[in-house]
Amino acid sequence: DGGITQSPKYLFRKEGQNVTLSCEQNLNHDAMYWYRQDPGQGLRLIYYSQIVNDFQKGDIAEGYSVSREKKESFPLTVTSAQKNPTAFYLCASTGQGAPEQYFGPGTRLTVT
Amino acid sequence: AQSVTQLDSQVPVFEEAPVELRCNYSSSVSVYLFWYVQYPNQGLQLLLKYLSGSTLVKGINGFEAEFNKSQTSFHLRKPSVHISDTAEYFCAVSTTGGSNYKLTFGKGTLLTVNP
Repeated sequence: DGGITQSPKYLFRKEGQNVTLSCEQNLNHDAMYWYRQDPGQGLRLIYYSQIVNDFQKGDIAEGYSVSREKKESFPLTVTSAQKNPTAFYLCASTGQGAPEQYFGPGTRLTVT
Repeated sequence: AQSVTQLDSQVPVFEEAPVELRCNYSSSVSVYLFWYVQYPNQGLQLLLKYLSGSTLVKGINGFEAEFNKSQTSFHLRKPSVHISDTAEYFCAVSTTGGSNYKLTFGKGTLLTVNP
């Protein structure tokens, strides 16, 4: 089955630690996206990548970093510089010429 | 830049009643429009999309939406809801130009279907 996987489902970290969230897709999609979701805020774009080895900042990139070394993988690192990292993180992808995004199941990060 | 406004943050309805979730958007260029559904602690699932053509779009689970360009709206409707439709619904817009399909989301509408 083709789809997007995110792991782990739940992640707990202590304040001051960096943490990396995994996103993998086997849909052969070119573009991948990371969103942050907070209650009542909708989804906000953190980073996106349209091609391997290239990515752009979204609306709330501060405190986050990404890499795109392989077409199928787009990991997100939440750094200690992110002031309020506790949130639900969603990864998505789109195929070439198709504007609809397909989403993974999400990772809920809790930082204490 | 575009923006999306979902006019109701919460919509409670009784089972088998009709429902309309309202969405208005703002954009200076042509747009694509989407509705997504999210069940608790899950990712978003595409309900339906408007890309071009007929302004009445049918989606999964019996939902439909109508694109109204003059009113810049894309309201979601279902004639008879079920308990299982309880979820959060997101309206989203992207521009049609180029190959960058960044989505702008509304803040969501929580639909609660009561027995």
